[in-house]
Amino acid sequence: KNQVEQSPQSLIILEGKNCTLQCNYTVSPFSNLRWYKQDTGRGPVSLTIMTFSENTKSNGRYTATLDADTKQSSLHITASQLSDSASYICVVSHMNTGFQKLVFGTGTRLLVSP
Amino acid sequence: DAGVTQSPTHLIKTRGQQVTLRCSPKSGHDTVSWYQQALGQGPQFIFQYYEEEERQRGNFPDRFSGHQFPNYSSELNVNALLLGDSALYLCASSLVDRGTGELFFGEGSRLTVL
Repeated sequence: KNQVEQSPQSLIILEGKNCTLQCNYTVSPFSNLRWYKQDTGRGPVSLTIMTFSENTKSNGRYTATLDADTKQSSLHITASQLSDSASYICVVSHMNTGFQKLVFGTGTRLLVSP
Repeated sequence: DAGVTQSPTHLIKTRGQQVTLRCSPKSGHDTVSWYQQALGQGPQFIFQYYEEEERQRGNFPDRFSGHQFPNYSSELNVNALLLGDSALYLCASSLVDRGTGELFFGEGSRLTVL
């Protein structure tokens, strides 16, 4: 069964600290992996998209890694800011009957405390 | 350049009623997907429209139906509303399936069923 699991479920860190969020998946055949940031009550916003051949991708203070062999990804946030408080969703894409299909994780809720 | 727009932003219905949600995709996009997101959960795929036809469908009952118009805008209809249909309904647009097709989300329509 195609699944995406994220950990931790929630996390509280102090402003200025770093943190790493984890994503494990069993989606096959793999097409790409995405990280989204979702503020409460808002739509998700894309942070990174990685294909099979990419193992690291950065977007400002956000750095995503991908290990396609172990089917794991991480999202590292550097020097956290209060505005980083949000849910971070890992999404894995696979091809299904010729169409791309997305499998969403349930997200990690991050709270950055002053 | 307008992004994905959804309407209404909030609405309240009672059990058994019907609801229609609307979505205008990002300029230049031709594919629209709909997702249901319950509180504290990741988005669940409902269906996807391209060239005015439903291309893919998730595990949702026939009470959920949709439509895409020639201008690529889309509607989501839900009949015989249940309390469990209360959720944030997200519309996402993209340019027809590419391996790493960027998905842009709207801000969602918050449906409350009483």
